[in-house]
Amino acid sequence: NAGVTQTPKFQVLKTGQSMTLQCAQDMNHNSMYWYRQDPGMGLRLIYYSASEGTTDKGEVPNGYNVSRLNKREFSLRLESAAPSQTSVYFCASSPWGQLNEKLFFGSGTQLSVL
Amino acid sequence: GDSVTQMEGPVTLSEEAFLTINCTYTATGYPSLFWYVQYPGEGLQLLLKATKADDKGSNKGFEATYRKETTSFHLEKGSVQVSDSAVYFCALNAGGTSYGKLTFGQGTILTVHP
Repeated sequence: NAGVTQTPKFQVLKTGQSMTLQCAQDMNHNSMYWYRQDPGMGLRLIYYSASEGTTDKGEVPNGYNVSRLNKREFSLRLESAAPSQTSVYFCASSPWGQLNEKLFFGSGTQLSVL
Repeated sequence: GDSVTQMEGPVTLSEEAFLTINCTYTATGYPSLFWYVQYPGEGLQLLLKATKADDKGSNKGFEATYRKETTSFHLEKGSVQVSDSAVYFCALNAGGTSYGKLTFGQGTILTVHP
């Protein structure tokens, strides 16, 4: 079972370049999330989508945009990359976005912005 | 706002030693509490959870008890193995309209030597 699939796994950008991180889940989950992981800071929520057709800001949304393309796919776009966006990015999904639910994570995208 | 604080790492133990990783939280209402584990090169996986005060979550020999009076959810294992080497994250879901969003601690790196 694929679960949550993220592409690419690694990416190097120059300051000012743009790119889109792709995420797809095959578990028919309603809710999807984008987190970034930085050393000593745990994971911080960038954006989330409670259900198809809705998106909302998380804790650190500045510099990012998202698109919930359909129920399966949730992409994260960096319009003009900055060195501060060097991080590991994780996509996650959950069945209904409820209080006690487990999140299923992808294996991450390691992004370096030079 | 909601927050999670974990003990500083890294933690280095010998095989069969006892493990404790401290976690305390600040949240309004009655959050659900989680421990996630991240093995090298992988995404996070749910290790255990507890949804109300005095609940004990357990899995793979790991345990944690939801202590509302001390706002804590410490992770313990009686005898660690080399295969337990990973990064451990404490997290909470504050409920309400949080739509499954998790607030994470900074993570604790555990290394177990033979």
